[in-house]
Amino acid sequence: AQKITQTQPGMFVQEKEAVTLDCTYDTSDPSYGLFWYKQPSSGEMIFLIYQGSYDQQNATEGRYSLNFQKARKSANLVISASQLGDSAMYFCAMREGGAGRRALTFGSGTRLQVQP
Amino acid sequence: NAGVTQTPKFRVLKTGQSMTLLCAQDMNHEYMYWYRQDPGMGLRLIHYSVGEGTTAKGEVPDGYNVSRLKKQNFLLGLESAAPSQTSVYFCASGNPSSVQETQYFGPGTRLLVL
Repeated sequence: AQKITQTQPGMFVQEKEAVTLDCTYDTSDPSYGLFWYKQPSSGEMIFLIYQGSYDQQNATEGRYSLNFQKARKSANLVISASQLGDSAMYFCAMREGGAGRRALTFGSGTRLQVQP
Repeated sequence: NAGVTQTPKFRVLKTGQSMTLLCAQDMNHEYMYWYRQDPGMGLRLIHYSVGEGTTAKGEVPDGYNVSRLKKQNFLLGLESAAPSQTSVYFCASGNPSSVQETQYFGPGTRLLVL
């Protein structure tokens, strides 16, 4: 079963508007972390925002916020006031708690295109 | 501050050839990872290491070997390259003492196997 699901292969948004990128996850571990990364056309992976499973409030980082709905197992990324430079691939990822590899499990990504 | 570096940035191989990808980090991280990224599939874990001298398999280890002889270096080897190994390879490192610690990624290596 997919641990991270991103159902939107591609999204369009007008410049200066807000956009929500969906992410659902599956885990039975009570301790986990959710991450969003941006991958521009240049290829590097840029960390955007983090949400912990025990965090009471939704995470925010500048124009990025995470709409965390624990009961629904969703962690959607909201980008406010979109800019042309936001055009990129966006990946949702999860790390589960406990000992071990502590690797990230990634979704398949959403390609966001910001239109002028 | 170099962070995580990868060598080479791009390589073309013929089927059956071998090569080694080098990852180096200068952040004194214990954990290092190799991922591959294929179109439409996100990143998948190939191998990882939780410290110098240790390695372990990830989700897609077949056809690859790794070594971590020095803490700062993590090598990924392809003994006999196949077209299915055409991909972008990312190295990452971190000290995931808790779930919230992010990983730091290298710039990626684009590999084409003909």
